[in-house]
Amino acid sequence: QPVLTQPTSLSASPGASARFTCTLRSDINVYSYRIYWYQQRPGSRPRYLLRYKSDSDKQQGFGVPSRFSGSKDGTTNAGLLLISGLQSEDEADYYCAIWYSNTWVFGGGTKLTVL
Amino acid sequence: DVQLVESGGGFVHPGGSLRLSCETSDFTFSAYWMSWVRQAPGKGLEWVANIGKDRSEKYYVDSVEGRFTISRDNAKNSLYLQMNSLRVEDTAVYFCARGGASYCSNGVCGEFDSWGQGTLVTVSS
Repeated sequence: QPVLTQPTSLSASPGASARFTCTLRSDINVYSYRIYWYQQRPGSRPRYLLRYKSDSDKQQGFGVPSRFSGSKDGTTNAGLLLISGLQSEDEADYYCAIWYSNTWVFGGGTKLTVL
Repeated sequence: DVQLVESGGGFVHPGGSLRLSCETSDFTFSAYWMSWVRQAPGKGLEWVANIGKDRSEKYYVDSVEGRFTISRDNAKNSLYLQMNSLRVEDTAVYFCARGGASYCSNGVCGEFDSWGQGTLVTVSS
């Protein structure tokens, strides 16, 4: 089972909200890790969005709008990225990552379609 | 603006070698961990290696351990990746990224907060 699992795709309408999940393998406690989120638009380099461990341990990337936010769901052992007020420019691939066992691990990425 | 510019990519046969470089500017290079992250065509991101500020710590993904070597020259503000015994599965765009620390320091906790444009490495017979 992969360390991090992300759904392959997600679609939502302009102005709506999108909720991305990053599920940690069952033996890895989501509350013990900082979850990092990256956005990659087609043909572009990745962009750091934010990191989230708890409400007291979080950081927004430079210039990243507040409509991007992080949280966690302990019941599903998942890190969450929430985007509100979706815009066409948000159409991109979104990756989560954690530092685990002396390596950086990325999730497989979720492709967001805004339609 | 932080600048990261990779070079050194190209075509190589399996078993061959390449050395990637990442020239940086507009930030205090020696104050940051640095990393290489790759992306195979049409695939997701895969972290390759990182190196501490003073080169005392280096980590690698298992698939490149023993074949790739990450290094840095703080006097030249540059990061390197020596890639030996290349395999077809190493074909990817290689990104240089600022960050990737294994711990938090001065509010920085490992995020890859700036990325280069990438350099393509193609390994094929």
